[in-house]
Amino acid sequence: GAGVSQSPRYKVAKRGQDVALRCDPISGHVSLFWYQQALGQGPEFLTYFQNEAQLDKSGLPSDRFFAERPEGSVSTLKIQRTQQEDSAVYLCASSLRSGQGVDGGSTEAFFGQGTRLTVV
Amino acid sequence: GIQVEQSPPDLILQEGANSTLRCNFSDSVNNLQWFHQNPWGQLINLFYIPSGTKQNGRLSATTVATERYSLLYISSSQTTDSGVYFCAVMRGSQGNLIFGKGTKLSVKP
Repeated sequence: GAGVSQSPRYKVAKRGQDVALRCDPISGHVSLFWYQQALGQGPEFLTYFQNEAQLDKSGLPSDRFFAERPEGSVSTLKIQRTQQEDSAVYLCASSLRSGQGVDGGSTEAFFGQGTRLTVV
Repeated sequence: GIQVEQSPPDLILQEGANSTLRCNFSDSVNNLQWFHQNPWGQLINLFYIPSGTKQNGRLSATTVATERYSLLYISSSQTTDSGVYFCAVMRGSQGNLIFGKGTKLSVKP
C-alpha cells in the first residue's frame, strides 16, 4: 500500500479483556516495529521484526504482550488481560531494511496513524 | 542506553517567525530522523539525516554527528506548523528508533 496502515484507529477495552491491534506495513518493507506512546511522551520501542522473525522483544512491558508477523507482512500486537496502564497509542512503523542489511535500501522508518487504546 | 534530549520543550511563535529546535544525543548513531506529530497523532517524516544538511521548503535540518547534535530550522512559521516535533536516533544494527521527549510548537495567527 501507499503507507503504513493500522486498525482499529480507536479501541476501548474493559479491564481484563484481550485486544488485537493490526499493522499493514508498506509493501516490500523488511523491517517492522511496534512502539507505545503515552500521553505527552515520545514513542517507546516495543518489538522488532525482520521479515517473519521477531529479532527483539526487549521493549514489551510484560508477558501479556505478544506480537507476531507470520508471513513477513501484516503484524498483530496482542495484549491479554488488559490493564489501565496499557492505555496508550500504539504505533507501527516499517522500513525497507534493517540497520544490518547488506543489500542496500534505506533504514528510514515510516509510521502508521496509530491505534489509541483506552482501558476502562 | 543512549539519551536523546530535545530543546526547548515548549515554543510559542507568532506566525511568520523563525525558530530553531535542537536535538542532542549521548552516543554515536547510525541514523537520525525528524518527525512532526500533527494534532491527530500522525508522525510525519520531515528529514532522514544521519549527517549533513538538507532543505525542504521552509524547513531545513543539519546534523553534526561528530558533535552529537542536530538542528531543525523552521522559517516563516505558519499555524499549520503547530504540533510536536520529535528527533529520533537509530543505534546498533537493527534499526529501532530512540525518541526524545519532543518540542511542542504553537504558532499563533
